[in-house]
Amino acid sequence: DGGITQSPKYLFRKEGQNVTLSCEQNLNHDAMYWYRQDPGQGLRLIYYSQIVNDFQKGDIAEGYSVSREKKESFPLTVTSAQKNPTAFYLCASSFARGSYEQYFGPGTRLTVT
Amino acid sequence: QQPVQSPQAVILREGEDAVINCSSSKALYSVHWYRQKHGEAPVFLMILLKGGEQKGHDKISASFNEKKQQSSLYLTASQLSYSGTYFCGTEGSEKLVFGKGTKLTVNP
Repeated sequence: DGGITQSPKYLFRKEGQNVTLSCEQNLNHDAMYWYRQDPGQGLRLIYYSQIVNDFQKGDIAEGYSVSREKKESFPLTVTSAQKNPTAFYLCASSFARGSYEQYFGPGTRLTVT
Repeated sequence: QQPVQSPQAVILREGEDAVINCSSSKALYSVHWYRQKHGEAPVFLMILLKGGEQKGHDKISASFNEKKQQSSLYLTASQLSYSGTYFCGTEGSEKLVFGKGTKLTVNP
């Protein structure tokens, strides 16, 4: 079955540590996205990528980094510079950027203490 | 830039209707609607394109008024399974931007 996988589902880290969240898709989609979800805030875009080896900052990119070395993979690193990293992180993909349905992964809940 | 959704929350009894509104301050090319159940990923409902027709899926439909930069989601004869948070996403000249969501609760 085609879809998006994110791992792990729950992640716990100590403050000051970098952590990488995995996102893999087998839908052959060109565009991939990372969103952060906080209670009552909706979905806020962190980074997005339209093609391999290219990505753009979203609305809240500070303290995050990404890479897109393969079409199927778009990992997100939450660095120690992110002031409030505890959140629910969602990865999504679409056929292309723009007016196409976005398919979401199950999410990773990150807790930093 | 973030679209404004209203109401923030609504509680219905099974079988009742609801309308969720989404408005933007910018010119829009398309509006997306998604539903998210607690602890799960958002699920796509529909996309409305500029110049397109009103869309519907079963008893859920939506409209898009380009001139007013508004979209509305209509849920008729609500079912228990309709419970969740509904997000609109608006696409203007750049990327898709999501609203804060409307929490819909359908009670028996």
